[in-house]
Amino acid sequence: AQSVSQHNHHVILSEAASLELGCNYSYGGTVNLFWYVQYPGQHLQLLLKYFSGDPLVKGIKGFEAEFIKSKFSFNLRKPSVQWSDTAEYFCAVNARSSARQLTFGSGTQLTVLP
Amino acid sequence: KAGVTQTPRYLIKTRGQQVTLSCSPISGHRSVSWYQQTPGQGLQFLFEYFSETQRNKGNFPGRFSGRQFSNSRSEMNVSTLELGDSALYLCASSLAPTAEGYTFGSGTRLTVV
Repeated sequence: AQSVSQHNHHVILSEAASLELGCNYSYGGTVNLFWYVQYPGQHLQLLLKYFSGDPLVKGIKGFEAEFIKSKFSFNLRKPSVQWSDTAEYFCAVNARSSARQLTFGSGTQLTVLP
Repeated sequence: KAGVTQTPRYLIKTRGQQVTLSCSPISGHRSVSWYQQTPGQGLQFLFEYFSETQRNKGNFPGRFSGRQFSNSRSEMNVSTLELGDSALYLCASSLAPTAEGYTFGSGTRLTVV
C-alpha cells in the first residue's frame, strides 16, 4: 500500500517569502501525484498534478512542484507567497494500480503573515 | 457549471443512530468517491462508485456503506454511530474512475454526541 509523508505540519512565513513544502511517498510502482489546497471554510481544490512527462509541473496561483523519482518526492514551491495563500496544503498520491483511490498526506498548515 | 453538492452541510446525531449523507456530482461525472477527514487521521478513502457499482473500498468497518443511483448521485450510510465517526465527510466526482480531475464538495460535518 502507498503512504504519503508531509514533514512540515505548520509553516509560518511573511509575505513575499519563498515557500517549499515537502512531500515524500512510499510506493514501488508508478504513481500519479497531486497537491490540493483547502482554504479556511472552503472545499479542497486541486493546485496541480503530475501524471507523466516534464517533472516540473506548474499549477494555479503561481504554484509549482517538482517530481524527483529517485527521492520519491513531490515538493511544492512558490517564489513569493501572499497573505491569501494561508491555507492547508495536502499532498496526495494515486497508485496507477489502484486508479480510483487517493492517499493523502497529513497536511501542512501554511500561515502567511501580512 | 454547478460543483459537487453535498447535503446536509451539518448534522448532529446520537451514538447508536444511523445517518445518510448525500452527494450530487458535477453533471456528466459518473465516478463518485467518499473520504473521511478527521484531525487525527487526516483524509481517508472510504469507497468509490462508478456506474452504480462499488469499484473500490477503503479500510473501514461494514457500518459504512454507500450506493450510487442511475443519475450518478450517491449516498453513504453509517449505521450504529460511534463518537469516533464524528468527521467531515467529503465527496469527490470525476468523469471517469481515475483520480485525474477529482472535484471535491464542501463536505458534510457530522457530529456524534
